[in-house]
Amino acid sequence: IAGITQAPTSQILAAGRRMTLRCTQDMRHNAMYWYRQDLGLGLRLIHYSNTAGTTGKGEVPDGYSVSRANTDDFPLTLASAVPSQTSVYFCASKPGQGFNYGYTFGSGTRLTVV
Amino acid sequence: ILNVEQSPQSLHVQEGDSTNFTCSFPSSNFYALHWYRWETAKSPEALFVMTLNGDEKKKGRISATLNTKEGYSYLYIKGSQPEDSATYLCAFMNYGGSQGNLIFGKGTKLSVKP
Repeated sequence: IAGITQAPTSQILAAGRRMTLRCTQDMRHNAMYWYRQDLGLGLRLIHYSNTAGTTGKGEVPDGYSVSRANTDDFPLTLASAVPSQTSVYFCASKPGQGFNYGYTFGSGTRLTVV
Repeated sequence: ILNVEQSPQSLHVQEGDSTNFTCSFPSSNFYALHWYRWETAKSPEALFVMTLNGDEKKKGRISATLNTKEGYSYLYIKGSQPEDSATYLCAFMNYGGSQGNLIFGKGTKLSVKP
């Protein structure tokens, strides 16, 4: 792999179920992000991690949790899915906290909560 | 709440036309302005990262300018081609309010007719 791999590509999930979206990068980037994309709203930041072992809340963190046990992996967990979490989820990364770096995005996970 | 506005929301042009879009952002505590190109069914790809007032960046037929004092950036496409059809996102980063993370606009969707 080169870049960011997200899994699954798509998923239909029953409301109330727990789900973890996986994100793995092989670029040794320090900073990683989870965004959701909804029609008419653009990309909104859910959680971020500036480096392994640290995480922070973004604009829309409620109902989601993340962990960053190592540099490569940044899973996003929905503890008890609700229909409003139906969205396309994008994982992204950049080399460090500096402002000169563009983000690299994964190909997204399309999640439908029914 | 930090807001990034992009206009127009969508644009239809003929092959060969030149076009431009606008991105407006809060001018206080500016850190960086990013432009991304997002093709349908793919993930966003970084075009430009700009950090200094007056910055101009160019990649082939696409160029961008930045005015941090008044809080706007323009993206220009010279001689549009059908392969330029995509959504163009701008994203803003400042000290403090965005926690050093990118805040995305909703994008300008460009369609280029052959």
